[in-house]
Amino acid sequence: TQLLEQSPQFLSIQEGENLTVYCNSSSVFSSLQWYRQEPGEGPVLLVTVVTGGEVKKLKRLTFQFGDARKDSSLHITAAQPGDTGLYLCAGATRGYQKVTFGTGTKLQVIP
Amino acid sequence: DVKVTQSSRYLVKRTGEKVFLECVQDMDHENMFWYRQDPGLGLRLIYFSYDVKMKEKGDIPEGYSVSREKKERFSLILESASTNQTSMYLCASSTRTSGSLLRSSYEQYFGPGTRLTVT
Repeated sequence: TQLLEQSPQFLSIQEGENLTVYCNSSSVFSSLQWYRQEPGEGPVLLVTVVTGGEVKKLKRLTFQFGDARKDSSLHITAAQPGDTGLYLCAGATRGYQKVTFGTGTKLQVIP
Repeated sequence: DVKVTQSSRYLVKRTGEKVFLECVQDMDHENMFWYRQDPGLGLRLIYFSYDVKMKEKGDIPEGYSVSREKKERFSLILESASTNQTSMYLCASSTRTSGSLLRSSYEQYFGPGTRLTVT
């Protein structure tokens, strides 16, 4: 069974601070997605990374896929209250239709 | 825009009732999934379907069944609801992967969820 562990589990920070969320596994993934879920809603796709070492930016969010494609990180610069939510990573293996979801990081940004 | 809709946002049922949760997607996706989400346990896959009338068990299929008679619709059935099935149920869809590394492969699009309470 493939496992994706995220850290930290919970994070409460002040508006304007920077933060990094980690997604780690002992398995190699073909691609990795990051989702954000707001309370009472379904997860929404943020980004997909495919190549080892790949870095993608989405405004103040920077996503990196590890060189060995076993881990990923999400860095948020100058966090805002609108960034509050549950962040989920999900790893995909080539040829399989389903993905493995991480344990999630709950972020609260205090104004 | 991909749209995945679920029949109810909130549902309250009694123990022993048969419960139907419906999910519809409008993107012509081959794959559809049912998850449940519980605090501390994350997203757990119940069942998924990769084609009409095809289904595969996920990690926690016990107590559930599914039906996919049309490509756009995937139903989750709780044969006899129990209190431990109180949860948030999420439906998702994705395009079928073909061993390709296209970025769009594996990306899942979720519905808004159904908060089910079994009393």
